[in-house]
Amino acid sequence: AQKITQTQPGMFVQEKEAVTLDCTYDTSDQSYGLFWYKQPSSGEMIFLIYQGSYDEQNATEGRYSLNFQKARKSANLVISASQLGDSAMYFCAMREGRPSGSARQLTFGSGTQLTVLP
Amino acid sequence: NAGVMQNPRHLVRRRGQEARLRCSPMKGHSHVYWYRQLPEEGLKFMVYLQKENIIDESGMPKERFSAEFPKEGPSILRIQQVVRGDSAAYFCASSRSGRSSYNSPLHFGNGTRLTVT
Repeated sequence: AQKITQTQPGMFVQEKEAVTLDCTYDTSDQSYGLFWYKQPSSGEMIFLIYQGSYDEQNATEGRYSLNFQKARKSANLVISASQLGDSAMYFCAMREGRPSGSARQLTFGSGTQLTVLP
Repeated sequence: NAGVMQNPRHLVRRRGQEARLRCSPMKGHSHVYWYRQLPEEGLKFMVYLQKENIIDESGMPKERFSAEFPKEGPSILRIQQVVRGDSAAYFCASSRSGRSSYNSPLHFGNGTRLTVT
């Protein structure tokens, strides 16, 4: 089974509008972290935002917010006031905790290509 | 303020040659992770190393691929006898400790784009 599922291969949004990128995850661990990364056409991986499994409030970071619904195992990224520079590939990822206390590696979804239209 | 440094940025090899990809972790980091990204796909975990020790190589192909992280110097991902299917972007990330929290992000280098002709 896929650990991270991103069902939107491509999304379009008008400049200055908000957009939601979907992410669902699958884990039996109680301790885990959820992350979003942005990969522009230049190729680097840029960390945007994270949500811990025990965090009760949704994470926010500037124009990025994470809509965390634990019971539904979803962690959607919301980008407000889209800008042309937001056009990129967006990856959702999860890092599960180990019983020993250390963390597993990041597991990534297949990504969503966001295009912001002028 | 150096982040994770990878070189070369681009590497072209002919089939059958060897490819060596280097990764210098962030200052103070002793744990390194290697990922591979095939075109139009997400990143797939390959191997996790700490200094002089492989912690998890569950994502490494069984043949031709090897990784090391010596006491001194960068981590090296080595691909012997490259084939066209090895063409991909290879990313490295580092962390301070393997006991870092599950809610600590990994910070990635800019990647090495390997092209096999």
